[in-house]
Amino acid sequence: DGGITQSPKYLFRKEGQNVTLSCEQNLNHDAMYWYRQDPGQGLRLIYYSQIVNDFQKGDIAEGYSVSREKKESFPLTVTSAQKNPTAFYLCASSMDTGGANQETQYFGPGTRLLVL
Amino acid sequence: AQSVTQLDSHVSVSEGTPVLLRCNYSSSYSPSLFWYVQHPNKGLQLLLKYTSAATLVKGINGFEAEFKKSETSFHLTKPSAHMSDAAEYFCVVSPLRNSGNTPLVFGKGTRLSVIA
Repeated sequence: DGGITQSPKYLFRKEGQNVTLSCEQNLNHDAMYWYRQDPGQGLRLIYYSQIVNDFQKGDIAEGYSVSREKKESFPLTVTSAQKNPTAFYLCASSMDTGGANQETQYFGPGTRLLVL
Repeated sequence: AQSVTQLDSHVSVSEGTPVLLRCNYSSSYSPSLFWYVQHPNKGLQLLLKYTSAATLVKGINGFEAEFKKSETSFHLTKPSAHMSDAAEYFCVVSPLRNSGNTPLVFGKGTRLSVIA
């Protein structure tokens, strides 16, 4: 059963703590993305990766870090530098990030991060 | 640069009546356009996609959208609303050619309420 999985569904962070959100896909997609969703804001791009061992900052990368050591995995770390981390985080993947007729992005179920 | 504007933040319809969710886009090139749906606390699901073929695009669950270049619009419609259609809907634009750091641009969303 192909798809994108995100874990955990809910995550709680204490002040000054780094937390890592997991994203795994078995669609054999090259590109993966992380978005942050706040009420009334739509989706904002945090980081994306077109290929293993390479990634680019999106619009709101400050306070976040990523790695892409494997094609199927793209974990996101929310660092203590991110002062307002409470949000819904969505991971997505696609066959390609650019070129003609850009491929569709497929989304995971999301992780809700809350600050204690 | 690409941008997308969803003209209504909230639309409310009665069950069985037509649905119209409005979207205008701005793009330097002929874009690809998407509509996604998001149910509460879930990921985004693709409804339909326009990529310069037929201007009237049919999607899942009875939804369709018409690409009108002269009006730079891509409105989403459905002849008869069902209770299960209540959700958040996102209009999304992508460039025909790779534009750099932001592969897709999301609208801020329209929340659709369906009244019994």
